[in-house]
Amino acid sequence: DGGITQSPKYLFRKEGQNVTLSCEQNLNHDAMYWYRQDPGQGLRLIYYSQIVNDFQKGDIAEGYSVSREKKESFPLTVTSAQKNPTAFYLCASRIQGDTEAFFGQGTRLTVV
Amino acid sequence: GQQLNQSPQSMFIQEGEDVSMNCTSSSIFNTWLWYKQEPGEGPVLLIALYKAGELTSNGRLTAQFGITRKDSFLNISASIPSDVGIYFCAGQLQLGAQKLVFGQGTRLTINP
Repeated sequence: DGGITQSPKYLFRKEGQNVTLSCEQNLNHDAMYWYRQDPGQGLRLIYYSQIVNDFQKGDIAEGYSVSREKKESFPLTVTSAQKNPTAFYLCASRIQGDTEAFFGQGTRLTVV
Repeated sequence: GQQLNQSPQSMFIQEGEDVSMNCTSSSIFNTWLWYKQEPGEGPVLLIALYKAGELTSNGRLTAQFGITRKDSFLNISASIPSDVGIYFCAGQLQLGAQKLVFGQGTRLTINP
């Protein structure tokens, strides 16, 4: 079945460590997005990519990095520079020029 | 970033009641989307609206694209326990815009 797969579902990180969250889609979508969700807040955009080998900062990019080496994959690295990384991270994709975004199931990151 | 004001922030209702929520903005939007998110999961698209004044239904859900293009409404009729979750509105400012703007969400709780 086509869809977006995020892994792992739960992730624990020690302070000072980098960690990478995976996002893979087989929908042949051009655009991919990473959002952060905190309790009581909406979705905040971290990074997005419209095509392979190109990506743009969103509203809260500090402390995060991404790559887009393949159309299907858009991994997010949470670096040690991110001061408050504990959150629910959502990956989404959509067809270039279309408006409906489809989401993965999310990764809950906890810093211990 | 651009903000959507979604209200109410939370609702506590009895099973069988109807539900109404809305999103407003000071900017004109080209597209409105409504999503539902269940605990620990990614948002799922419910309804997409593309024209001012458009009224679209999906089962017991009905959404409208405001005539001013600055707001949208979602109604749920005869609520049932599985309607519990967080409902998000999202908008696109113009055709082909790279980003969606999300509201803060409406948390719906239903008492059986």
